[in-house]
Amino acid sequence: QQQVKQSPQSLIVQKGGISIINCAYENTAFDYFPWYQQFPGKGPALLIAIRPDVSEKKEGRFTISFNKSAKQFSLHIMDSQPGDSATYFCAATSSDNNDMRFGAGTRLTVKP
Amino acid sequence: EAGVAQSPRYKIIEKRQSVAFWCNPISGHATLYWYQQILGQGPKLLIQFQNNGVVDDSQLPKDRFSAERLKGVDSTLKIQPAKLEDSAVYLCASSLDWGQDSPLHFGNGTRLTVT
Repeated sequence: QQQVKQSPQSLIVQKGGISIINCAYENTAFDYFPWYQQFPGKGPALLIAIRPDVSEKKEGRFTISFNKSAKQFSLHIMDSQPGDSATYFCAATSSDNNDMRFGAGTRLTVKP
Repeated sequence: EAGVAQSPRYKIIEKRQSVAFWCNPISGHATLYWYQQILGQGPKLLIQFQNNGVVDDSQLPKDRFSAERLKGVDSTLKIQPAKLEDSAVYLCASSLDWGQDSPLHFGNGTRLTVT
């Protein structure tokens, strides 16, 4: 089932630091790569997404870097804040079946 | 805009019992999804509907799970009989339309514990 591998499983960062979460995929048919943020007791919420025709996408403090040849993508959270403490999931899907495949998640803790 | 509503929030049942979950998607959203999220894992798609038709149920364990979407709006997911390994959070999501250009909006889920 797992076609998207995510690391690390957990991450602790100091306030103001950079959080980096990595994902790798296997299926070359994947052409849409979103990141979701999930707080305890809540459903995942879309954070940012990228398509393989660009190598980077930035929205505020959140940046996705994408390496098509390596089949890897990563989420960078700049100036991490305690409010960013959550579980982050990378995901991937192809345009022909809409079956979103999620990574196992990274629990981020930002210490004040 | 009201979000995706799910009920109940929590459910505890014994194995071999049956259980049903309810989902009300965002108004006007044509596509509805049910995901299973086991503790420590990412969500896994069980079934997706476009209006009241099933688009993909290839990962739904059909010997015990069933789902329907009445009149293309609300949906129910049923498990009968439940097994211990069904303990998970069941997430409902909806999107305006089918496809990547319509982001998923998730509900807060139903946490099922099977004892």
